Amino acid sequence: DGGITQSPKYLFRKEGQNVTLSCEQNLNHDAMYWYRQDPGQGLRLIYYSQIVNDFQKGDIAEGYSVSREKKESFPLTVTSAQKNPTAFYLCASRFGTSGSSNEQFFGPGTRLTVL
Amino acid sequence: AQRVTQPEKLLSVFKGAPVELKCNYSYSGSPELFWYVQYSRQRLQLLLRHISRESIKGFTADLNKGETSFHLKKPFAQEEDSAMYYCALKGTSGSRLTFGEGTQLTVNP
Repeated sequence: DGGITQSPKYLFRKEGQNVTLSCEQNLNHDAMYWYRQDPGQGLRLIYYSQIVNDFQKGDIAEGYSVSREKKESFPLTVTSAQKNPTAFYLCASRFGTSGSSNEQFFGPGTRLTVL
Repeated sequence: AQRVTQPEKLLSVFKGAPVELKCNYSYSGSPELFWYVQYSRQRLQLLLRHISRESIKGFTADLNKGETSFHLKKPFAQEEDSAMYYCALKGTSGSRLTFGEGTQLTVNP
């Protein structure tokens, strides 16, 4: 383990509040990803970034925002516009260019609960 | 568009029995397929990828382009194989993966 860290492990939020989930990696990986994991729906891609200062929307970006100011960090903000934010959030990173087959390495996850 | 389907949400077998986790995909180009596994209270991790043609922990998976499938097989299941398994697809360009819904495998003693 190690290499990719996510904090906090558990997060509680009141409705109407924005909250930011942290993801840090010290693997010198180029690309970073945010997924949402819901029972029976697998992993769905929220946002991803292949280089610093650039990121793309995934399949379910509405209500989320990200930044990639440093190679090591890719924080995810869950805004009040996200209709169903309670979920388990996974961050991943990957070394190499977009065309390579290098595997994605995953963090331990953050469980967000909206009260 | 790319899509991955795992038709079985739950799969239960007895120890020593063969196991097959199904994965079907939809993609117009030449995909790369992966199997990821998540053991209880552990991180999601790569199990195997089709381009390596490897066998990991006794599991194998063959890419069948005619049937657009990438089923995961093991001839003799062990209790420690109990986990959530995800099939994933990567297209020819870009780095994003598309995951299936996952199959929860339980191997009973």
